[in-house]
Amino acid sequence: SQKIEQNSEALNIQEGKTATLTCNYTNYSPAYLQWYRQDPGRGPVFLLLIRENEKEKRKERLKVTFDTTLKQSLFHITASQPADSATYLCALYNFNKFYFGSGTKLNVKP
Amino acid sequence: GAGVSQTPSNKVTEKGKYVELRCDPISGHTALYWYRQSLGQGPEFLIYFQGTGAADDSGLPNDRFFAVRPEGSVSTLKIQRTERGDSAVYLCASSLLAGGQADTQYFGPGTRLTVL
Repeated sequence: SQKIEQNSEALNIQEGKTATLTCNYTNYSPAYLQWYRQDPGRGPVFLLLIRENEKEKRKERLKVTFDTTLKQSLFHITASQPADSATYLCALYNFNKFYFGSGTKLNVKP
Repeated sequence: GAGVSQTPSNKVTEKGKYVELRCDPISGHTALYWYRQSLGQGPEFLIYFQGTGAADDSGLPNDRFFAVRPEGSVSTLKIQRTERGDSAVYLCASSLLAGGQADTQYFGPGTRLTVL
């Protein structure tokens, strides 16, 4: 099965800086990979999807990269705001299943 | 509907009891997923429905867990003889297309199950 690793330590950054979150996986390269945001007491909310043949995807202040050689995805939030504070989850799709990482908590300080 | 809804939002039960958790997906969504999330962890896959049939139930931990989706819309997750280790947030998600077609999953708010 897939193992997904996200930094379990919280990431603390200053407002206006770029936040970079890492998702590493073992075994099979997924057909695609997704990033979600989760706030306390709520279900995850989809942010971005990137396919195995894509290197980079952007949406407003968000950017995702996908390196199948390194088996790694990076998630960037530029010009971060306190409202971006949340837990960010990556999810890989393989063989009918989504495998989620445990998430990285982002704290953006004003 | 406006989004995926789940009922109840909270369920407290005693060890050994039977519980049912309900998920109402977004209207017209073909695929439906159940996940379990423990504190500090990501969602853990339980079962995936494509229409009325369970396309993949390999994530169900044991035979105390069962899920149905008889008309291809609402789904019910059933847990028999609950154990304290079953305590978690149970999340449901739906998507318009089958998972293999790179589609967005829309999650419900979850049901927090506590087994005393």
